[in-house]
Amino acid sequence: EPEVTQTPSHQVTQMGQEVILRCVPISNHLYFYWYRQILGQKVEFLVSFYNNEISEKSEIFDDQFSVERPDGSNFTLKIRSTKLEDSAMYFCASNQGGYTFGSGTRLTVV
Amino acid sequence: GQQLNQSPQSMFIQEGEDVSMNCTSSSIFNTWLWYKQDPGEGPVLLIALYKAGELTSNGRLTAQFGITRKDSFLNISASIPSDVGIYFCAGETDGKGGSEKLVFGKGTKLTVNP
Repeated sequence: EPEVTQTPSHQVTQMGQEVILRCVPISNHLYFYWYRQILGQKVEFLVSFYNNEISEKSEIFDDQFSVERPDGSNFTLKIRSTKLEDSAMYFCASNQGGYTFGSGTRLTVV
Repeated sequence: GQQLNQSPQSMFIQEGEDVSMNCTSSSIFNTWLWYKQDPGEGPVLLIALYKAGELTSNGRLTAQFGITRKDSFLNISASIPSDVGIYFCAGETDGKGGSEKLVFGKGTKLTVNP
C-alpha cells in the first residue's frame, strides 16, 4: 500500500536553529499538508499546498514557517528560527480522495 | 474557529467489553473520519463517513454520521488488547483552493486490561 514517508523520525535542535522536515508524499496525490501535534494534545492543521503554492495556512503558520516542493517528489517544512514551543510531532499528509498521514517527525527544541 | 468536542477523554476497560466514544461540533462537516493513533505513529484511518445518517462498519468498529452532520459516534465491540491507543474524530472541511483540511478532536485514550 502506498505510504507517505517522513524523515527524520526524530530531530533535536538548539533554540534559534533552522530545521527542515522532509516528506515524500504518495506519488499521484495532488494535495499536501503539514499538521502538528504538541505532546498530549490534538492534531492541528498548519498548511495545505497544491499546484506548487500554499492553498491555506493556519494562525500557527507564521513567518518562521515555510514549505517547498523542490523537486516534484519531496515536500519540506522549514522552521527558520526554532522556539521551545515548536517542540511537537509534525505530520505530513497527502490527499487524493482520501488522506494518508506519514509516521511523523518528533521535533525537540532545547 | 471550528472545534470538535470529543468524549470521553480516556477510558479504562476490560478485554471483551464494548466501547463507545463520540464527537460533537457546532459546525457542519462534509465528511467525518475516525482515526487511531499508536504511540510514535501518525493517525491511521479507521472509518470514513460521507452521508448524514450513514452507519458504517469495519470489522468490530461501527461509526455513524449524525443526521445534522454535527456529530458522530464510534463503537468498538469485544475489545482486545491491541485496541489500545488514542482515537481521534476529525471533520473534513472545504479548504481554500480546493484542498480539504481536517479539524481534529482532542482524542479518547483507550486502555484495555487483559
